[in-house]
Amino acid sequence: AQSVTQLGSHVSVSEGALVLLRCNYSSSVPPYLFWYVQYPNQGLQLLLKYTTGATLVKGINGFEAEFKKSETSFHLTKPSAHMSDAAEYFCAVTKNSGGYQKVTFGTGTKLQVIP
Amino acid sequence: KAGVTQTPRYLIKTRGQQVTLSCSPISGHRSVSWYQQTPGQGLQFLFEYFSETQRNKGNFPGRFSGRQFSNSRSEMNVSTLELGDSALYLCASSLERGAADTQYFGPGTRLTVL
Repeated sequence: AQSVTQLGSHVSVSEGALVLLRCNYSSSVPPYLFWYVQYPNQGLQLLLKYTTGATLVKGINGFEAEFKKSETSFHLTKPSAHMSDAAEYFCAVTKNSGGYQKVTFGTGTKLQVIP
Repeated sequence: KAGVTQTPRYLIKTRGQQVTLSCSPISGHRSVSWYQQTPGQGLQFLFEYFSETQRNKGNFPGRFSGRQFSNSRSEMNVSTLELGDSALYLCASSLERGAADTQYFGPGTRLTVL
């Protein structure tokens, strides 16, 4: 079975500070990893995804994440937080299972940006 | 391309009623998945449709059902509504069913059961 753990349901950072949102996964096969962002009363929007190749993935809005197989992690970072980054962030892992895509989401991390 | 659209955006029902939610995927996308999102349980997978067939189902009671039409549009139905069914229902579409395929989400339908 696969699972996703997001450490910290709430994270607060000052505007301009580093954003670090943690995601660890467990999977019996090499996974595909995604980060989504959700603004209030909206659906989820893809930030970035890792499938194969380069382990450092760059996404939209200045976010990036690094796939570390040895640590089973896929942490999301942004060098300098902006007020508009305040939202909820979800990590997700997918794999092919029995011919279909099995998606597992983490429980989410709400990011607060303090002016 | 237009994104995933869901109608209605907000819905208020009373216990025992039934409800139908609609989802129009991105043009060309053949897979549609439905999720329930609540503060307590987070994002939970309901089911996935591909080529008008349910391909995968989450752990929800039979009161939750869905279907997909030939144009890939999908509907989900919840019968005999319970208070616990109050949630944001999200629809997501993807081009195919591969694990690497990105799911694109709609804005959701906020269902309130009184």
